[in-house]
Amino acid sequence: EAGVAQSPRYKIIEKRQSVAFWCNPISGHATLYWYQQILGQGPKLLIQFQNNGVVDDSQLPKDRFSAERLKGVDSTLKIQPAKLEDSAVYLCASSLKSSSYNSPLHFGNGTRLTVT
Amino acid sequence: TQLLEQSPQFLSIQEGENLTVYCNSSSVFSSLQWYRQEPGEGPVLLVTVVTGGEVKKLKRLTFQFGDARKDSSLHITAAQPGDTGLYLCAPLTSGTYKYIFGTGTRLKVLA
Repeated sequence: EAGVAQSPRYKIIEKRQSVAFWCNPISGHATLYWYQQILGQGPKLLIQFQNNGVVDDSQLPKDRFSAERLKGVDSTLKIQPAKLEDSAVYLCASSLKSSSYNSPLHFGNGTRLTVT
Repeated sequence: TQLLEQSPQFLSIQEGENLTVYCNSSSVFSSLQWYRQEPGEGPVLLVTVVTGGEVKKLKRLTFQFGDARKDSSLHITAAQPGDTGLYLCAPLTSGTYKYIFGTGTRLKVLA
């Protein structure tokens, strides 16, 4: 099966600019996640979708970050305006159904964002 | 807030050596997953453990879930350069339905 697709792979922007990331999950996967991974740390969950509804966005900085999954398939994550501390790898993951031990996460290769 | 600690943070060993990495918390988990992440890639699932005291083997990797389901360990026998990567534990807590990742153990195996 095709894996989780993310684009772009790399992005360099200046602080206060905006940026958007795109994710296409594995076909048929109902749940989609966006994680932020700062260098040297584990992934931190930003937002979790079940189909096109938000399940958890408690750690999403909503003053600058937004995400949508309008048709319950692909998703975009936007940052506006970016700050230096947003420099990180943004990982998208999908699973067949909501968090369950028998429904593991499948990750894309991420987008590496550098904010200067 | 659930505290999740992985140790050691960094480990550099010679090919052929054995090693153990740990994932500890004060919380009880319903299950726990281990992932390996290589540079420039997303994490890839290695194993899921569900039952307290459970032991699972994946070739040279042995995973154990603590009896109280608060901790887990990963033991690698005769490490190889291909084992190099970031090892992440991700427990699932009942009722939250979300995976929280540890900070990981960065392993480097030298040929």
